[in-house]
Amino acid sequence: DTGVSQDPRHKITKRGQNVTFRCDPISEHNRLYWYRQTLGQGPEFLTYFQNEAQLEKSRLLSDRFSAERPKGSFSTLEIQRTEQGDSAMYLCASSDTSANVEQFFGPGTRLTVL
Amino acid sequence: SQQGEEDPQALSIQEGENATMNCSYKTSINNLQWYRQNSGRGLVHLILIRSNEREKHSGRLRVTLDTSKKSSSLLITASRAADTASYFCATVAPTGSARQLTFGSGTQLTVLP
Repeated sequence: DTGVSQDPRHKITKRGQNVTFRCDPISEHNRLYWYRQTLGQGPEFLTYFQNEAQLEKSRLLSDRFSAERPKGSFSTLEIQRTEQGDSAMYLCASSDTSANVEQFFGPGTRLTVL
Repeated sequence: SQQGEEDPQALSIQEGENATMNCSYKTSINNLQWYRQNSGRGLVHLILIRSNEREKHSGRLRVTLDTSKKSSSLLITASRAADTASYFCATVAPTGSARQLTFGSGTQLTVLP
């Protein structure tokens, strides 16, 4: 399967714990995006990488959130000291650098914070 | 924050009927895209229309774009039960390098067999 993959698919954690999600983009894509989606809403942009450089972060990305893409391939999103409000679907997407292109989304990681 | 609104929020039709969903947005765009999401799954790209285009077709899909009204519509013809899903419009800003998608709130489409 050469699509975008995410791991884990589901994560249940207790408030205050740290969690880390992984995203493997389509191999030839140098852009990688993270979005967050809550129930009944459209996804909201969190952050974006071009190769290994994190070039933009949303105001939604508080200091408890950190994302990395160390070698310009896979990316990780870590949430420290999770709160119940962090419960959501975390979606990863990748694309190439052309101006008018689609983004390819992974299946998402559903986080539940108890 | 969401870019705009989609109308209706929910739509229920019979198989074989056409489904029309509307999207309004607030700021200038480079392009507008429509995505589909089955319950609890990732998003699948359907169609992209550039800001200088007015209409685009792909199979049973027809998308229109009116930049003067900052609105778009998605028409699905001859709907099937398998078209049941949430449909989102998403815009890309004309400036900036990120080209992140700014999504609307979505339309939940139910196609009854």
